[in-house]
Amino acid sequence: GAVVSQHPSWVICKSGTSVKIECRSLDFQATTMFWYRQFPKQSLMLMATSNEGSKATYEQGVEKDKFLINHASLTLSTLTVTSAHPEDSSFYICSAPAGAPTGELFFGEGSRLTVL
Amino acid sequence: QKEVEQDPGPLSVPEGAIVSLNCTYSNSAFQYFMWYRQYSRKGPELLMYTYSSGNKEDGRFTAQVDKSSKYISLFIRDSQPSDSATYLCAGRGSTLGRLYFGRGTQLTVWP
Repeated sequence: GAVVSQHPSWVICKSGTSVKIECRSLDFQATTMFWYRQFPKQSLMLMATSNEGSKATYEQGVEKDKFLINHASLTLSTLTVTSAHPEDSSFYICSAPAGAPTGELFFGEGSRLTVL
Repeated sequence: QKEVEQDPGPLSVPEGAIVSLNCTYSNSAFQYFMWYRQYSRKGPELLMYTYSSGNKEDGRFTAQVDKSSKYISLFIRDSQPSDSATYLCAGRGSTLGRLYFGRGTQLTVWP
């Protein structure tokens, strides 16, 4: 299947700092990518849809200024957690649809963020 | 009511058992259904992708969709300890539409 690469796989930062997570589609182009957040033993919570060349679409309740999304090219989307706090600690996963016309969704390996 | 409902388990079976994982959904517009396997601290991995009602088989895995009852299932034959993971079901109305996930069922296959 298609490959989605996510980096870093884990990061520890101090409260108040910003952290950037990258999501790359390695062997296909993605005009759309999705960012999810997952708490332990919980399902995936869609945070936002990243659109290449335009603004991201955020889900209700997700702070746009806290979670900055940039879709710089057809293969790269970034999520920046600004002024991180301990409650932002979570597992963040990106995904991208591949394989028209079925649009199967492939996921990155995830990034575990711990804010001290 | 959530779009996709899934019993979180946990489910524990002996090696070699047949495992049945199930989900229900509420949106009659759903046409595409997926099953993902997620190992601890990893991203979900696409296992099965089906369209509309019917069965799809891939090795030891069979996905089944019954749109009349809004019920989707994943069967695992001859289960192995390596199948121990969380299994997430998902559905969507169109090929590029939003994917709605179930909560995931935690499966343990013990040797």
